Amino acid sequence: AQTVTQSQPEMSVQEAETVTLSCTYDTSESDYYLFWYKQPPSRQMILVIRQEAYKQQNATENRFSVNFQKAAKSFSLKISDSQLGDAAMYFCAYRRETSYDKVIFGPGTSLSVIP
Amino acid sequence: SQTIHQWPATLVQPVGSPLSLECTVEGTSNPNLYWYRQAAGRGLQLLFYSVGIGQISSEVPQNLSASRPQDRQFILSSKKLLLSDSGFYLCAWALSGSLAYEQYFGPGTRLTVT
Repeated sequence: AQTVTQSQPEMSVQEAETVTLSCTYDTSESDYYLFWYKQPPSRQMILVIRQEAYKQQNATENRFSVNFQKAAKSFSLKISDSQLGDAAMYFCAYRRETSYDKVIFGPGTSLSVIP
Repeated sequence: SQTIHQWPATLVQPVGSPLSLECTVEGTSNPNLYWYRQAAGRGLQLLFYSVGIGQISSEVPQNLSASRPQDRQFILSSKKLLLSDSGFYLCAWALSGSLAYEQYFGPGTRLTVT
């Protein structure tokens, strides 16, 4: 069975600095998708970034980028120039490449941004 | 554009009372639909998912049930609530078919069972 692990329950970063959130996953599949979701205090889940496993190039969305290491089954999220609004729970998630399969979420990392 | 609605936003119910949470999606057809529960400070637990009308898959055996009476309507129900049913319930949708990517979440319902 596929699993997603986030080994950092809590992280903190100084405003304007860079922070990296870790995620590892376990799968025997070769084709799949990986996601990072953000859940601010409002509790609305927001998609931050997506990575297709067949793509070697790491995904980037403005200040958010990932380091995807397929062989190591690692998918970390880097937040550059951290802002107060980045404070939230961050969930790493995995989905197989089938038409309806469910997304498996990690336990989350709580990120605090220190002004 | 697609939007997803959930109601109510907040609910306080006594133990043993019934439950009905509703989720509707606009702007898309035949979406995959999902119900998640999130306990305080915890991750998401998938409860049910549906790939079509009347098709429900259960992930966790419990006193909750789900139904999909219409293409874009997903309902979470219980006949008798337990204290352990308290939590934050999130509905999500995703595109069906081979182009299904990420899930899009509703605003959630905060349920407190007293």
